[in-house]
Amino acid sequence: DIVMTQTPLSLAVTPGQPASISCKSSQSLLHSDRKTYLYWYLQRPGQPPQLLIYEMSNRMSGVPDRFSGRGSGTDFTLKISRVEAEDVGVYYCLQSIQLPPTFGQGTKVEIK
Amino acid sequence: QVQLQQWGAGLLKPSETLSLTCAVYGGSFSIYYWSWIRQSPGKGLEWIGEINNSGSTNYNPSLKSRVTVSVDTSNNQFSLNLRSVTAADTAVYYCARRYGGFDSWGQGILVTVSS
Repeated sequence: DIVMTQTPLSLAVTPGQPASISCKSSQSLLHSDRKTYLYWYLQRPGQPPQLLIYEMSNRMSGVPDRFSGRGSGTDFTLKISRVEAEDVGVYYCLQSIQLPPTFGQGTKVEIK
Repeated sequence: QVQLQQWGAGLLKPSETLSLTCAVYGGSFSIYYWSWIRQSPGKGLEWIGEINNSGSTNYNPSLKSRVTVSVDTSNNQFSLNLRSVTAADTAVYYCARRYGGFDSWGQGILVTVSS
C-alpha cells in the first residue's frame, strides 16, 4: 500500500494568518495520463470529509480561493492563505493512483 | 446534486455480520465506483471496498476475506457485508462516490461491536 505521511499533526493558527500542511507519499502519484492523483479533504466535527482539492491543485466548486494545492510526484502542500474560523477541523490527504486508496493520518487545525 | 443516504444496524455482537446499505439520489449511477470507508480512532480513515454498476468489485486486501460489496442497480443502491466482526471493527462507516477521489459521502453510521 502507498503510505501517506502528513505533517504537522496539529496546527494552531491566528485568524487572517496563513497555514500550510505537508503530505508525502511513499510512491509517485503522477500517472502516465499526466494527472497527479492526490486529493485534500476537510472534516469538520460530526461531518464526513469534504473534498477541497482534486488532482493535486484543482479546487472543487464552492471552495474558497484561499485554499490552494501544489506539489510534485511525492511531496504535496495544502495552503490556506488567510485562515478563517470556519476552516477548523481535520485535514486529510488521499491518494488514489493505486488500490487501495489510502489517506494520511490527518492534521488538526485550530484557531488561536 | 447527488445525495447518499445510508442505513443499517449500529450495534453488533462479536462474530455477527455487519450489513449496511447506501442509496444514491440524483446524478449518474453508472460512471462511478461506489465505495465503503470506515473511520476509527485507532486506524483513521480506511477504505474497505467498492463496486461499479456492472458489479465489478475491488477490496482492501486487509479485509478482503470478510467483505462483500453488492449492488442493486434497479434501486441505485449498494451494500456492505462484513462478516465475523470483532471490537476492532467498531467505527463510523461511510458510503462514498469515487471518481478519482471520493467527492460525495453519506452521513456516516457508528457501528459498535460489543458483547
